[in-house]
Amino acid sequence: DAKTTQPNSMESNEEEPVHLPCNHSTISGTDYIHWYRQLPSQGPEYVIHGLTSNVNNRMASLAIAEDRKSSTLILHRATLRDAAVYYCILRADNYGQNFVFGPGTRLSVLP
Amino acid sequence: NAGVMQNPRHLVRRRGQEARLRCSPMKGHSHVYWYRQLPEEGLKFMVYLQKENIIDESGMPKERFSAEFPKEGPSILRIQQVVRGDSAAYFCASSPGDSYHGYTFGSGTRLTVV
Repeated sequence: DAKTTQPNSMESNEEEPVHLPCNHSTISGTDYIHWYRQLPSQGPEYVIHGLTSNVNNRMASLAIAEDRKSSTLILHRATLRDAAVYYCILRADNYGQNFVFGPGTRLSVLP
Repeated sequence: NAGVMQNPRHLVRRRGQEARLRCSPMKGHSHVYWYRQLPEEGLKFMVYLQKENIIDESGMPKERFSAEFPKEGPSILRIQQVVRGDSAAYFCASSPGDSYHGYTFGSGTRLTVV
């Protein structure tokens, strides 16, 4: 499986935008970029995913580099509830292939 | 539309006992995945099941652990003769199984072995 590299931790102030980077230099053409987050004492939660184009949903935006070797998850206005571990995961568009979680980025949001 | 339901939320077992963890997938989801998260560690894949079939058990410990997803009823992760090192959070996820898509996770079962 192609690997991803994320910073161990990041801090943000409440109501400010947050840019969470992810490097995936060995990504293959069929790999989708997925983001999940895990709030304290909860199961992971889907955030967003994309292949080549930038993506927006109600939770976040995903900016994908033109060469696809990196991507950035953007939270437009961080809230205290966004404090979580954020996982960037590559997965081929394969039927039923499991997700491989790395250590992720622990985001702290300061009031 | 209920999400993925896991029970119990907390389970305490003495060393040597059996632990049974249950997972009811989302309605319409036929694929179930089990993950384990040891304290202060990341999520590790254990097993992937479809109804009545184990598709990938590459992450399952070779002994004492088993999983099933019967035609009727929830998926069960069974741990026999538990040891202290089995203490962890066990998460179940489900998906409809079509080619995209992501998982919906349950809230987990926290197993404590005393």
